[in-house]
Amino acid sequence: NAGVTQTPKFRVLKTGQSMTLLCAQDMNHEYMYWYRQDPGMGLRLIHYSVGEGTTAKGEVPDGYNVSRLKKQNFLLGLESAAPSQTSVYFCASSYGDISNQPQHFGDGTRLSIL
Amino acid sequence: QKEVEQDPGPLSVPEGAIVSLNCTYSNSAFQYFMWYRQYSRKGPELLMYTYSSGNKEDGRFTAQVDKSSKYISLFIRDSQPSDSATYLCAMSAPTDSWGKLQFGAGTQVVVTP
Repeated sequence: NAGVTQTPKFRVLKTGQSMTLLCAQDMNHEYMYWYRQDPGMGLRLIHYSVGEGTTAKGEVPDGYNVSRLKKQNFLLGLESAAPSQTSVYFCASSYGDISNQPQHFGDGTRLSIL
Repeated sequence: QKEVEQDPGPLSVPEGAIVSLNCTYSNSAFQYFMWYRQYSRKGPELLMYTYSSGNKEDGRFTAQVDKSSKYISLFIRDSQPSDSATYLCAMSAPTDSWGKLQFGAGTQVVVTP
């Protein structure tokens, strides 16, 4: 009964490096989301997906790319990491739109960019 | 100005006291209101979910929505040290059917034994 699993849990990168964050859910959810959480800013939506093969931009998409090749997985990519991308990244998923189903969150990936 | 405002705290209360949390918002289209609890180094977990105005009670937790004042509240009765966490409010409008949530920055609560 894993729910939403994020890997890795912690990572340190150098400016300019690339990496991919993986989110996996075992609840057969249609919708998946990537957020970042910064002190005093709350959770801000980066990208989201309403189904396999679909992606869309959220509030703060610049510098990130995503892919949803399989229903259960949602990948977040940083092509050229910048110190401003130092944050805690959370993935969430839900069955459908907000009127019926809440979002379930993973435990986050703590990313530091030096 | 942020769409959702929430006092960051910390809010420190003795065990057994009532914890009172609130958020204000500016978007009158918001209809769905949620409270999430987030322990340190963990993801947010849903506590309460209400639609439109009114009250909802679940055990020691009561959520209130006052749409006329654009104000939502969460009350925790008989608080326990295990209630020490950050509480996030979140809300959404019907037009954002794909699940867009607007979060407050969170209030840190500390319940002392």
